[in-house]
Amino acid sequence: EAGVVQSPRYKIIEKKQPVAFWCNPISGHNTLYWYRQNLGQGPELLIRYENEEAVDDSQLPKDRFSAERLKGVDSTLKIQPAELGDSAVYLCASRIGTAATNEKLFFGSGTQLSVL
Amino acid sequence: DAKTTQPPSMDCAEGRAANLPCNHSTISGNEYVYWYRQIHSQGPQYIIHGLKNNETNEMASLIITEDRKSSTLILPHATLRDTAVYYCIVRSGGSNYKLTFGKGTLLTVNP
Repeated sequence: EAGVVQSPRYKIIEKKQPVAFWCNPISGHNTLYWYRQNLGQGPELLIRYENEEAVDDSQLPKDRFSAERLKGVDSTLKIQPAELGDSAVYLCASRIGTAATNEKLFFGSGTQLSVL
Repeated sequence: DAKTTQPPSMDCAEGRAANLPCNHSTISGNEYVYWYRQIHSQGPQYIIHGLKNNETNEMASLIITEDRKSSTLILPHATLRDTAVYYCIVRSGGSNYKLTFGKGTLLTVNP
């Protein structure tokens, strides 16, 4: 079974430039998450999708961050414009089902973003 | 969600049991205890979770105290590949649920 696939693996951009991350969850997984992980910290939830609906985006900085999950499968996370403080690892995760009974998440390897 | 407290780091000899503690003294009745780990340059990996009873799977055992205020993750025979950051997370069973990761415990397994 293929795991959660993220691309690119690394991205280096200059500040004020746009950047996008792509995630392909495990087939059949209804719930998809985007997390951000700063160096030395645990992952922080940005947004959670149940199918194509964003059900928790309270932690997403909406002035510069946007996300979409068309057709309830793949997802993209965009930052425009990027700032120096956005340098972090962006992790995508998915799990089967949408009920609150089991938070067994499967994570991708992440995209490491460096903003210069 | 209840807050957890974990030691920042621990060491363990290869082949010995690794016992990772977690305090969650403010846990409420419907909150689950989850453990994840993160090997360097990888995303977190689910290990195990429980509510009240002790749990065991192919990766580890989870021991939850009777008052549920603390738990211990046990890796019975640690290997070098178990070197990772281990996260203990308490998650509500309600509708507004999410996993909130702290800084975790860096477990270093030494040869």
